[in-house]
Amino acid sequence: AAGVIQSPRHLIKEKRETATLKCYPIPRHDTVYWYQQGPGQDPQFLISFYEKMQSDKGSIPDRFSAQQFSDYHSELNMSSLELGDSALYFCASSPRLAGEYNEQFFGPGTRLTVL
Amino acid sequence: LAKTTQPISMDSYEGQEVNITCSHNNIATNDYITWYQQFPSQGPRFIIQGYKTKVTNEVASLFIPADRKSSTLSLPRVSLSDTAVYYCLVGDRTTGGGADGLTFGKGTHLIIQP
Repeated sequence: AAGVIQSPRHLIKEKRETATLKCYPIPRHDTVYWYQQGPGQDPQFLISFYEKMQSDKGSIPDRFSAQQFSDYHSELNMSSLELGDSALYFCASSPRLAGEYNEQFFGPGTRLTVL
Repeated sequence: LAKTTQPISMDSYEGQEVNITCSHNNIATNDYITWYQQFPSQGPRFIIQGYKTKVTNEVASLFIPADRKSSTLSLPRVSLSDTAVYYCLVGDRTTGGGADGLTFGKGTHLIIQP
């Protein structure tokens, strides 16, 4: 079965640089979520999109922005990178099922290292 | 969202049944209880969800007492590959459904030994 695709899988950047992470949801999933997981930490929700509109917002820094495109893929843009941004970034997707629990399907993650 | 409390770590042996209990004293009427599993360097994976009594699927069982202030995830006959972090989440059906983000608390590190 198709899964969530994230690219790149690994990324190394220097402080103050920018980075763009991409997420391709499971086909027919219209909702995308972004999470950040620092070393030894639990996943922290950043932001979500439904039908290309921002739906929910978590602890996303102002230096980060994201969007969802017409083909439902999403990009997380990170600027002025800091050492503390080094983390695993997960994207998840879910279908919108009225009255049902929408299980979130997570991708393999992008490991970002800021030097 | 209701706060959850789980043991930080547990260990067991292959072939044993493992029960992980989660406390959620402030659970609201509309809240459901959901468990996710996460292997190192992988994204979390949905295991099971329930509202009350008992739910069972091919992977696990979830026991929820009448007062719903706690729940127990039961993993039958664990194997080495069940070594992972297990997260208990509590929220209403829109949590993770209406495009709401999931709030992961401190999960339980389960270690299975041969």
